This record gives sequence, structure tokens and C-alpha cells, in this order.
Amino acid sequence: QKEVEQNSGPLSVPEGAIASLNCTYSDRGSQSFFWYRQYSGKSPELIMSIYSNGDKEDGRFTAQLNKASQYVSLLIRDSQPSDSATYLCAVSSGATNKLIFGTGTLLAVQP
Amino acid sequence: EPEVTQTPSHQVTQMGQEVILRCVPISNHLYFYWYRQILGQKVEFLVSFYNNEISEKSEIFDDQFSVERPDGSNFTLKIRSTKLEDSAMYFCASSLGLDRFTDTQYFGPGTRLTVL
Repeated sequence: QKEVEQNSGPLSVPEGAIASLNCTYSDRGSQSFFWYRQYSGKSPELIMSIYSNGDKEDGRFTAQLNKASQYVSLLIRDSQPSDSATYLCAVSSGATNKLIFGTGTLLAVQP
Repeated sequence: EPEVTQTPSHQVTQMGQEVILRCVPISNHLYFYWYRQILGQKVEFLVSFYNNEISEKSEIFDDQFSVERPDGSNFTLKIRSTKLEDSAMYFCASSLGLDRFTDTQYFGPGTRLTVL
């Protein structure tokens, strides 16, 4: 059974701080990794994708991938109250690239 | 910006009834997916669809479920005889499907299905 594991949180950070979200996955053959943001009652919204080991930066967001450790992380710099949401880690799997999601980490940014 | 759309946003039905959830994927996308999310649980893959046929399905996607692309724009999920445990948010997603490793799925807003 291919799994994606995340700490469910809540992760509480003050406004302006760095939020660090982590994810591990079990399928060593996985090639594509995604972070989605999901507000309560809404659909997943793509934040970042990463395919190679190392860091990938996009504005306030940095995704980090370590395939040897089967570990993906998302850093959010200068966290804002509007960043408060559940962050879903997803790994593509199989011939059709279906996404396997973690349970998500609830982030609460305190003003 | 193109987006995936879904209708209805909320569907209430009686147990045993058939429901059809509708999706319009992004127009130049080739792969289509259905996922569901039971309240408080993780997003789960149901089925993927490519070139007018199912390409992969999960254990959840049993004989009660079917998918169809009835025309050039719509993609539907039918549940033949709904059960209480089918109550969930159902998300449609689509992707370009041109590069296996960088392909990205974009999600519709979802349909909340409530089975009474």
C-alpha cells in the first residue's frame, strides 16, 4: 500500500514567521510531488510542484525534495493569516499519475 | 485563466437513488480524474480516464460507479444506487497529459453529495 504521511497538526505560527510543513512517502519509485492548499470546504489548490532533489522557490514558498530519504517539505516565509489552511502533500503514482494524498497539515497563522 | 467546473455544487439524494455528477475539464487537457473526500478524511483517488476509456480505478470504484464523456466537454460520474457512505465531496481534476513526470492536475470546486 503506497502511503503519504503528514503530521495533522495544527501547526501554529505567528504572523511573519516561517512555517515548515513535512511529508514522507513510501513509494521509492515516485517521481512527482505536489503541495496543495485546501481551505475548509473548498477544493485543493496547487501551490508547488517539485520533481528533482533540492529546493524550488516560488515567491514566499520553497519546496524541498530528498528522494533518498523519501521526504518532501514546504516552507512558507513571512506567513500571513490568509495562509491558514490545510496543506496537502500529494505524490503521483502509477501509469496514469493518480495522486496519493496525505491527510494534510492544518496551519494556523496567528495575527 | 481556464478552470475545471463542476455541477451541481451540492446534491442531496435518498439512499438507493442514482446521481450524476458533472464536470467540464480544462479544454485542452487529455487526462481526467475523479477523487472523493469524506468529511475529515484524506482525498482519495477514484478513477482516471484517457482517450475515452478508464485507464485506472481504485478499489473504491466498484460496479456502482461509472464514468462517461458524453460529448466533447463534459465528464460525468454516475453512482447507480447511492449508500449513506457515499456522502462526500467529489472532486474532478484534469491534466494536460503530455509529460508523465511534470503533469499537473487541476481540481474543480467539488460537488458535495449528501445521501439521506
